[in-house]
Amino acid sequence: TQLLEQSPQFLSIQEGENLTVYCNSSSVFSSLQWYRQEPGEGPVLLVTVVTGGEVKKLKRLTFQFGDARKDSSLHITAAQPGDTGLYLCAGTNNNDMRFGAGTRLTVKP
Amino acid sequence: DTAVSQTPKYLVTQMGNDKSIKCEQNLGHDTMYWYKQDSKKFLKIMFSYNNKELIINETVPNRFSPKSPDKAHLNLHINSLELGDSAVYFCASSPDWRFGNTIYFGEGSWLTVV
Repeated sequence: TQLLEQSPQFLSIQEGENLTVYCNSSSVFSSLQWYRQEPGEGPVLLVTVVTGGEVKKLKRLTFQFGDARKDSSLHITAAQPGDTGLYLCAGTNNNDMRFGAGTRLTVKP
Repeated sequence: DTAVSQTPKYLVTQMGNDKSIKCEQNLGHDTMYWYKQDSKKFLKIMFSYNNKELIINETVPNRFSPKSPDKAHLNLHINSLELGDSAVYFCASSPDWRFGNTIYFGEGSWLTVV
């Protein structure tokens, strides 16, 4: 069973700042997903990356899959209060899919 | 229209009681799940059903019994509730059983055992 470690666990920043959160593992994944969970809601998929080195952009969010497909990062440019939430990564291989413990992001106005 | 709906959203009950959480999806998906999210926000799969058949059963106490009357419904029944069962339970669905599909989550059911 692969273990996904997300860092930092908590992050509190001011509106307009940039940030990067990480998802790391010793296992190789066939794909990796990022979800955002807002308070009182279920997680919602942001992106799926499948190719080593792949970079995907979603407005101010940039997702990168590591070359070795063991890790991923999420970079947010000019964060806004609406970005506040729990960011979860989920890694998949042929037999399993597991979620990380998440990074709780708070963006203060 | 809500894609994955679960009821109740909030449930407070005493230790030892039996309770059920219902889930329905209108996405036409073949696969449904129950996840548990603890106080530290760690999301862990409990069960997965594909076309009414159980395909994943993680190490979950047998007090938890899922039931899938059809592929659009997956209900969770919990017997003899314990304090440690307090958590948020998420129902979810995906197009099929293959890992890596997008998982669509319900809004969660907040269970508090007192």
